[in-house]
Amino acid sequence: AQSVTQPDIHITVSEGASLELRCNYSYGATPYLFWYVQSPGQGLQLLLKYFSGDTLVQGIKGFEAEFKRSQSSFNLRKPSVHWSDAAEYFCAVGALSDMRFGAGTRLTVKP
Amino acid sequence: SAVISQKPSRDICQRGTSLTIQCQVDSQVTMMFWYRQQPGQSLTLIATANQGSEATYESGFVIDKFPISRPNLTFSTLTVSNMSPEDSSIYLCSVRTGLVVGELFFGEGSRLTVL
Repeated sequence: AQSVTQPDIHITVSEGASLELRCNYSYGATPYLFWYVQSPGQGLQLLLKYFSGDTLVQGIKGFEAEFKRSQSSFNLRKPSVHWSDAAEYFCAVGALSDMRFGAGTRLTVKP
Repeated sequence: SAVISQKPSRDICQRGTSLTIQCQVDSQVTMMFWYRQQPGQSLTLIATANQGSEATYESGFVIDKFPISRPNLTFSTLTVSNMSPEDSSIYLCSVRTGLVVGELFFGEGSRLTVL
């Protein structure tokens, strides 16, 4: 069965610093991978997705993620964090009928 | 993409009562799902809402507790029955617009507090 692990429950970075959020997955076939962001009181917004092809994918808001099959990872990165990036981030692995989410990483941005 | 509206956005309910959450999509979609997000936790899939037939429930969720309707390709309801404080959660409607694997689009959620 597919599953997703986000090892970091909470991360704090300074504004302007770089960011990397970790995601590891378990999936029996070619994974379909996603990153979502949830701002307080909001639903989830898709940041980026990987289905196939180039393993480095670009998303909205300056985010990117790299798929590494050998490490079963799909880490999210941003070179310079803005205060508005403070939110909860969810990694997910998809299948035809449903999607499984990681536990989430809460990002705090220090001034 | 799809725009999803959920009602109510939040509610405070008494123990033992039931509440129905509505999900309206601005276009016809193939698949609709209901998720639960308990306080401080991730999303857990409750069920897949099937148009014209009974919903498909995940392990740990049953129809008597979470009856779901989907009368057409743009609308679904989730009822939380006989509520207890443990049902206090955000309930999220989500849709997939294609027949193949693709991203899910989410409503803004319905935040229920059960006293």
